[in-house]
Parts: sequence; structure tokens; C-alpha cells
Amino acid sequence: DSGVTQTPKHLITATGQRVTLRCSPRSGDLSVYWYQQSLDQGLQFLIQYYNGEERAKGNILERFSAQQFPDLHSELNLSSLELGDSALYFCASSAGGTTLRFNEQFFGPGTRLTVL
Amino acid sequence: DAKTTQPPSMDCAEGRAANLPCNHSTISGNEYVYWYRQIHSQGPQYIIHGLKNNETNEMASLIITEDRKSSTLILPHATLRDTAVYYCIVRSYGGATNKLIFGTGTLLAVQP
Repeated sequence: DSGVTQTPKHLITATGQRVTLRCSPRSGDLSVYWYQQSLDQGLQFLIQYYNGEERAKGNILERFSAQQFPDLHSELNLSSLELGDSALYFCASSAGGTTLRFNEQFFGPGTRLTVL
Repeated sequence: DAKTTQPPSMDCAEGRAANLPCNHSTISGNEYVYWYRQIHSQGPQYIIHGLKNNETNEMASLIITEDRKSSTLILPHATLRDTAVYYCIVRSYGGATNKLIFGTGTLLAVQP
């Protein structure tokens, strides 16, 4: 158990819909990361938040957005869903700043999204 | 961040050492080598990381060549539970973000 929790575990929805994925980081971790894993694209970094502020953006579509709340949990919002958005979505957390020598990411169990 | 090259798959007999190679010929001085693994559809798991000295922890050993252009992850006594995709990632220290850029990794199959 990494200490990172994600809800829901599974989500089945239809094209055009909007969903919200939730992540609770390990106690004390300030950074939250979102990754997408699909069969054809592998594991891809989407976005990082650090203490409530966006820190880095990766291959995140404009239809997707995220935020980190004052209690440090994070939500990933996916809208206008397409078939190709079906994937595993992982959240990870780490202690904080990039200058820490040991600042490894701990991953949650993921949310499996199926768009029909 | 530097790119890495790993073999797509490897086999290992249970109880034997598994040696997983990684090439990172364009690594720069402030970049570390990290290893993560992903057991079927679970979240990736951190294994070990190093800069230029060999490292060992309770999970594995990391051997980095003197020129730092390649490294080997060693699982000393592989078990069936070590069957997973192993990712070698090179990442800079002290940059703006700690994001991880995953390649395709090596699928290690531990055989009974």
C-alpha cells in the first residue's frame, strides 16, 4: 500500500460525458502528479501540482483539467469524453520540492476509465 | 531529460539473479538514473536510484558504469512476484519538476 488513494477504481461512461477522478496523496506530501496509461501510448505524464499550484504540464488535452485543493487532495476532470480517453489514470504524490535528494513518487492504484 | 534504451523483454529463472540493462548514452552530469516497476496494471513502484556510485537497497542493486552511459538493475534472487515491466528513467536533480518520463520498459518474466 503506497498510501495514495484514488477513487473510483472503475468508471464506465459514454462519449461526450464528463467525469471527475479523485486522488488523496500520502500524508505530508505536497506534490501530486497525474499520469495516463493507454495501450497505444504507454504511461504519459499529464500534470503536476505542488501545494495547490500548477508546477508542470505534459501531454494533457484541453478537455482535461486538474486542481489541487487546500487539503492537498487533487481532482482530474475529463470532459467531452471520447473513446480514445479510455485508459488507466494514475495519481502519484511526492514530498515536495525538486531539490530534495530523495523525492520519489508513490503511485496510487489507478482509476480505470472506460468510455463506451 | 536523457532518453533511455531497454530491451523489450527478458526471462529469468526463479531464484536466479535478474540483470536488467539500460542505456542512457546522452545522460548529463546532473541527471540521476531511476528504476521503477509496474506489476500488471498496478501503479508503478519505485525501486532504486543513483547518480554515479553503485547503490543497494532491500529490493535491488544498481550498477552504473564509470562513464555513466549505461546501468544495470540487479534483482539478486528473482521470484515469481518480480514479474513486471521495469522502467529505467533518467531525470535531472533540482529542476523545475520531478515529472517522470516513462519509456517502454523491459518486461521481465520470471519462470518457475
